[in-house]
Amino acid sequence: AQKITQTQPGMFVQEKEAVTLDCTYDTSDPSYGLFWYKQPSSGEMIFLIYQGSYDQQNATEGRYSLNFQKARKSANLVISASQLGDSAMYFCAMREVNYGQNFVFGPGTRLSVLP
Amino acid sequence: NAGVTQTPKFRVLKTGQSMTLLCAQDMNHEYMYWYRQDPGMGLRLIHYSVGEGTTAKGEVPDGYNVSRLKKQNFLLGLESAAPSQTSVYFCASSYREGARYEQYFGPGTRLTVT
Repeated sequence: AQKITQTQPGMFVQEKEAVTLDCTYDTSDPSYGLFWYKQPSSGEMIFLIYQGSYDQQNATEGRYSLNFQKARKSANLVISASQLGDSAMYFCAMREVNYGQNFVFGPGTRLSVLP
Repeated sequence: NAGVTQTPKFRVLKTGQSMTLLCAQDMNHEYMYWYRQDPGMGLRLIHYSVGEGTTAKGEVPDGYNVSRLKKQNFLLGLESAAPSQTSVYFCASSYREGARYEQYFGPGTRLTVT
């Protein structure tokens, strides 16, 4: 079974608008971490934001915020005020604490920001 | 500060040939990882290491071997390359801050096996 699901293969957003990228996950481990990475066309993986399963507040990093709904097992990435440079692939990933260092990545969402 | 570097950046192999990919990090991180990324897919973990001299299998370890003789280096070996191993390979390293293991990635190695 897929541990990380990203149901949006591609998304478009107008420059300066906000956009939400969906991520749902599946785990029975009560302790886990959720990550979002950006992969521009140049290919490198860039860390964006982290949310721990026991964190009480949603994580924020600049224009990025994570809408964490634990009961629904969702960890959506919200990008505010989109910029042309935000056009990239975005990957959601999870690490289950009691399963060692096994990070699992979703298939990704390609975001295109329109001028 | 170089971060995570990978050597080589590109490589073409014939089926049955062997090669070693080198990953080096200068951040004194304990944890290192090798992933592969196939078209249209996310990253899949091949092997990882939680410290010098230790390695463990990830999700897709078959056909690969690894070694971590020095803390800063993590080597990925292909003993007998197959076309199914055509992929982009990423190395990453991470530190631990509580339950958070933030990974820093190298630029990737594009491998083609013909």
